[in-house]
This record gives sequence, structure tokens and C-alpha cells, in this order.
Amino acid sequence: DQQVKQNSPSLSVQEGRISILNCDYTNSMFDYFLWYKKYPAEGPTFLISISSIKDKNEDGRFTVFLNKSAKHLSLHIVPSQPGDSAVYFCAARVTGNQFYFGTGTSLTVIP
Amino acid sequence: EPEVTQTPSHQVTQMGQEVILRCVPISNHLYFYWYRQILGQKVEFLVSFYNNEISEKSEIFDDQFSVERPDGSNFTLKIRSTKLEDSAMYFCASSGQGMSNQPQHFGDGTRLSIL
Repeated sequence: DQQVKQNSPSLSVQEGRISILNCDYTNSMFDYFLWYKKYPAEGPTFLISISSIKDKNEDGRFTVFLNKSAKHLSLHIVPSQPGDSAVYFCAARVTGNQFYFGTGTSLTVIP
Repeated sequence: EPEVTQTPSHQVTQMGQEVILRCVPISNHLYFYWYRQILGQKVEFLVSFYNNEISEKSEIFDDQFSVERPDGSNFTLKIRSTKLEDSAMYFCASSGQGMSNQPQHFGDGTRLSIL
């Protein structure tokens, strides 16, 4: 039962360019969406979130876009830096405290 | 910056044995969670805990699992009779107050290896 899907297992981007990570979901009851970044041997680190009542949230180099009609979420990183190389997970919550994670996208930023 | 800490970082256990994974959440957080990630797969929700009781649990969290907050700082996950398929990374997380939108803060995980 994959309610949150990240269809691209990996992405490579040149340093300084934009990285776009995508996430699709199936449950229209999700009300809160998050992006996490994960380095090997560490736990996920919170990056940015968005409530279902908004369509965009920006924090520095990171912007999350939510398209509810398409049930699609994306994370834009601009400009991309080598330190951004990590696995990125999107997560979503139905009202309550159960979160569903995607399978992750491994981002490599090439210097 | 306060962080969630988990011990041990790696636990090796014989199949059928009980194992306890330990977590110290961020001190002023009220919601606590356990997740697991089987190698190469997604992070899966196990259970959330609030006000000294389970608030939600997934299908994975069956009778062999239990959680406890034995004192004011620790949050534990017990697996009663481990199976080979319990081998995974187990992540503890905590989040702040209320039901408003608060991100979860994760520990670095415990790698559980069942032999």
C-alpha cells in the first residue's frame, strides 16, 4: 500500500543548477507534507514542510510546491550544492500522527 | 541544538530473543514515534505515543511489539520474540506540542541484525 510514491530513485545535477525532486500521493486526506534529507548512517533530517491549505512554501534555497488537484508535491533546490547530495524523502500525514514516507530519491550534485 | 539520541547504534540478536531499543527524545517534546527501514526499502511508520499511551499504530506493530516510556526521558521499543524479518534500521522520532503541524526530529537509528 504505497500512498506516497517517489518514482525517481536517483537524480544527478550539476552544482549551481536547480534540483527538482518529485513526489506523488494517492490519499486526498493528507493534510501536511514534509521533505526530509538523509545522509548514510544518520536519521532523516527535516528540511521543509507545507500544509495542504498552501501551494508553496519557501525557505532559503528550498521551495516546496503542492498541487492538490494532481496530488503532486515537489522540492526545488536552487542553487544546488555538493553538500546537498543525500537521499530525500517526502512524507505525508493524514490528520492525526501517522506519517507515510516515500521510498526516497538519491540526489547527487556534481561539482 | 537538542537532538534525539538512540542506543545502541547496532544490536545483534539471536532469532527468538527479546530486544529493547532505547531512545531519548527531545526533552520538551510530547509526541514520540518509532519507524523502521528495511534495507533498500522505505521508512515505515510503526507507532506513535502520546500522554503515556499509543495514539496510532500500523499493521506492522503487532503483538510482538510494545513501547514504553519508563521514566521522564526514555522511550523504548521492545520486540518480544525476534524474527529474521525484523532485521532493519529502527528510527525513533519526537515532535513538539499539540496537534499543529510540527515536524518530527529523528535519531540516527539502531541497526538491528537478527541471526
